[in-house]
Amino acid sequence: GQNIDQPTEMTATEGAIVQINCTYQTSGFNGLFWYQQHAGEAPTFLSYNVLDGLEEKGRFSSFLSRSKGYSYLLLKELQMKDSASYLCAVRGTDKLIFGTGTRLQVFP
Amino acid sequence: KAGVTQTPRYLIKTRGQQVTLSCSPISGHRSVSWYQQTPGQGLQFLFEYFSETQRNKGNFPGRFSGRQFSNSRSEMNVSTLELGDSALYLCASSLGSGGFRTGELFFGEGSRLTVL
Repeated sequence: GQNIDQPTEMTATEGAIVQINCTYQTSGFNGLFWYQQHAGEAPTFLSYNVLDGLEEKGRFSSFLSRSKGYSYLLLKELQMKDSASYLCAVRGTDKLIFGTGTRLQVFP
Repeated sequence: KAGVTQTPRYLIKTRGQQVTLSCSPISGHRSVSWYQQTPGQGLQFLFEYFSETQRNKGNFPGRFSGRQFSNSRSEMNVSTLELGDSALYLCASSLGSGGFRTGELFFGEGSRLTVL
């Protein structure tokens, strides 16, 4: 079967660093995606990992370990606008399957 | 370039009715995927269409169906609506099909369905 787990909610302070973890079990693996979704809006693409290691894009970084079925999204220098849900998604042999999302609240 | 457009944005139906939702993908995108989003379940995959053919299907009952037209526009239909069908239905387009390795999805704003 296919399963993606990530924490339901997290809180952090403006300016801090937060790490959102994602573990997965899928049939086949063709990449892991992170999406950001603000309340009432469409999800938007943040990052894509298909090989092990760290991908850095500005304040956001994403890490993948295929052998452990594990990824994390690292957000640095948090801003109030980073308050959103972060969705981990894995493309198996065919479909792109999403986790339930982690709701991040950033406080001043 | 225009994004993914979904219509209608909001609609209210009663149990037993049927509903049709429409999605226009980004120009040049040939793949359209549909997802149901609810607070407890997150994004649940419904189906994916590529060049008018259903490529993949999620674990939803036969009441949920869809199609894609030659211009890549897609529709999904839900018949005999149930209270539990109340959700945000998101459409996403991409260049390639499900097996396309870098298939980043571009989402529309969604159609919020309320079933009374």
